[in-house]
Amino acid sequence: GAGVSQTPSNKVTEKGKYVELRCDPISGHTALYWYRQSLGQGPEFLIYFQGTGAADDSGLPNDRFFAVRPEGSVSTLKIQRTERGDSAVYLCASSSTGQNTGELFFGEGSRLTVL
Amino acid sequence: AQSVTQLGSHVSVSEGALVLLRCNYSSSVPPYLFWYVQYPNQGLQLLLKYTSAATLVKGINGFEAEFKKSETSFHLTKPSAHMSDAAEYFCAGSFGNEKLTFGTGTRLTIIP
Repeated sequence: GAGVSQTPSNKVTEKGKYVELRCDPISGHTALYWYRQSLGQGPEFLIYFQGTGAADDSGLPNDRFFAVRPEGSVSTLKIQRTERGDSAVYLCASSSTGQNTGELFFGEGSRLTVL
Repeated sequence: AQSVTQLGSHVSVSEGALVLLRCNYSSSVPPYLFWYVQYPNQGLQLLLKYTSAATLVKGINGFEAEFKKSETSFHLTKPSAHMSDAAEYFCAGSFGNEKLTFGTGTRLTIIP
């Protein structure tokens, strides 16, 4: 498709389980971002990739969260030992140049529910 | 620390009336400021952005916003509301880096 694609759209898991969320950016976009949106809040920055490398991972809340982008295209957000507080919508966005000089295109998000 | 504040989590206006959604920021560096809209079951979409050029910024769907440094504000306006404007609106800022700091959002309801 032409837009940012995120899978799964919904994920329900049990506390303590491992979860992977996938983001397919717009083809050719070098910049990729992950945000997390909790109920009633605005999106919160997690991590920013430029190409294959994480240029800024200062928003990852703790070492249970990790993200990769091995070939500079698809990215996977990995959450270990999930906790109920991890329940949120995880948003991915991509940009051809960066969000300050260009435009961010967001996917519809992956809704994670931890029981 | 930098922050973005949206006053009013819910705003209702009549169809055809002025839309005014408020956003204030706090920053020690010159900000870039953005307004995003989120329609039900859709991803966030950029409405407009301020990047230190013109202080009055025009966006899609008839929206505009004015950057006022003295008031640290970036309020979003539209002269005449349409039913299709019903959505959630987020103000956001970036402060010298690639991270966006979002406000908590304002849900706009249009009364027929």
